[in-house]
Amino acid sequence: DAKTTQPPSMDCAEGRAANLPCNHSTISGNEYVYWYRQIHSQGPQYIIHGLKNNETNEMASLIITEDRKSSTLILPHATLRDTAVYYCIVRVALPTGGFKTIFGAGTRLFVKA
Amino acid sequence: NAGVTQTPKFQVLKTGQSMTLQCAQDMNHNSMYWYRQDPGMGLRLIYYSASEGTTDKGEVPNGYNVSRLNKREFSLRLESAAPSQTSVYFCASREPGHFTDTQYFGPGTRLTVL
Repeated sequence: DAKTTQPPSMDCAEGRAANLPCNHSTISGNEYVYWYRQIHSQGPQYIIHGLKNNETNEMASLIITEDRKSSTLILPHATLRDTAVYYCIVRVALPTGGFKTIFGAGTRLFVKA
Repeated sequence: NAGVTQTPKFQVLKTGQSMTLQCAQDMNHNSMYWYRQDPGMGLRLIYYSASEGTTDKGEVPNGYNVSRLNKREFSLRLESAAPSQTSVYFCASREPGHFTDTQYFGPGTRLTVL
């Protein structure tokens, strides 16, 4: 019951922008899109989230299409330390009324010198 | 402010042994989660606790039990460990908000069952 689709891997040259796409065509109107990353074997780290408007913080920018069916995470100047698995997430409603977060396989980003 | 802490960091068990993984958060979050991550895979939800005193099954609850001891602590117990439970276990807590889902993760417990 994956709710998002991401490419399995991407390469990026150090210092260049890394653009990571995600499709979430079944997202409901009030659900946010979340991005996390996981460096090596550490716990996942929150990056950014958004609803409709584009968002920017100190780590990244998030561009969400007008129809909200896809989004792109942008790391403006990728460094070697940005090599990680990047997860695009939307929540899935549970029968109990709560939600669960599904982490798919994500996109493995390789930043190369 | 330590965030989310987990103990132990590493553990090796023999088949049939039991153990409890501990998790604590100091961010006053209501919701806490246990995930497992197998090599090359994404995270899968084992159990979660929406608030103190409540727990619910996630995607892969079989072979596990949980206890939400208080608002800070959420433990995961393996009653009779099996090799299929060899994995990395992550605990997380979530900021409050009905439509938001910002989770903060611990460093993980690497469990090997022989």
